Amino acid sequence: QQPVQSPQAVILREGEDAVINCSSSKALYSVHWYRQKHGEAPVFLMILLKGGEQKGHEKISASFNEKKQQSSLYLTASQLSYSGTYFCGTQTFGSGNTGKLIFGQGTTLQVKP
Amino acid sequence: DVKVTQSSRYLVKRTGEKVFLECVQDMDHENMFWYRQDPGLGLRLIYFSYDVKMKEKGDIPEGYSVSREKKERFSLILESASTNQTSMYLCASSSPDRGQETQYFGPGTRLLVL
Repeated sequence: QQPVQSPQAVILREGEDAVINCSSSKALYSVHWYRQKHGEAPVFLMILLKGGEQKGHEKISASFNEKKQQSSLYLTASQLSYSGTYFCGTQTFGSGNTGKLIFGQGTTLQVKP
Repeated sequence: DVKVTQSSRYLVKRTGEKVFLECVQDMDHENMFWYRQDPGLGLRLIYFSYDVKMKEKGDIPEGYSVSREKKERFSLILESASTNQTSMYLCASSSPDRGQETQYFGPGTRLLVL
């Protein structure tokens, strides 16, 4: 079952902040975040492992609450280059070393000047 | 730099045709994946492979099959293409790393079935 992302779409002005959420109905081993720009392949941003850690990539950070089976992606002081579709990919226990991810439906982010 | 290539960027086929989509990666990755991407549905896993000749069904395998005869190559086969298989198809690969497997994606093949 796919994780659910919210919101589905968001429009920002440069410099504004945004939060994208990813919720799963299953216990998660890890959450992966990817960004896809229009016409391009998805590109890896970061991985969150169980343990509630928070990670950062430029001005983009994320958290993982394993009890709530949720992850959130935080984009601060957004830049035009942040525009794209963000996907969370979830890995459940028992997937072994297959690297199998189940992706959410995506959140489209548009940053305007 | 990891490179994942797909045989075609755009493909137009007729209903009932057998379609082959090929994916090649150059990083000696064990794991390879085929997804289809549709608006509002995100990336849905069709099949994946964690070793040569090994394959497992993903969430939407109906109407598709796969082949992995060599480690670097993973083929997706549409046995008899139908219009509802019009979509963007993405291939990805990763190396086993205890839950930290980063997936590297190819540029995608946009398939139109008429």
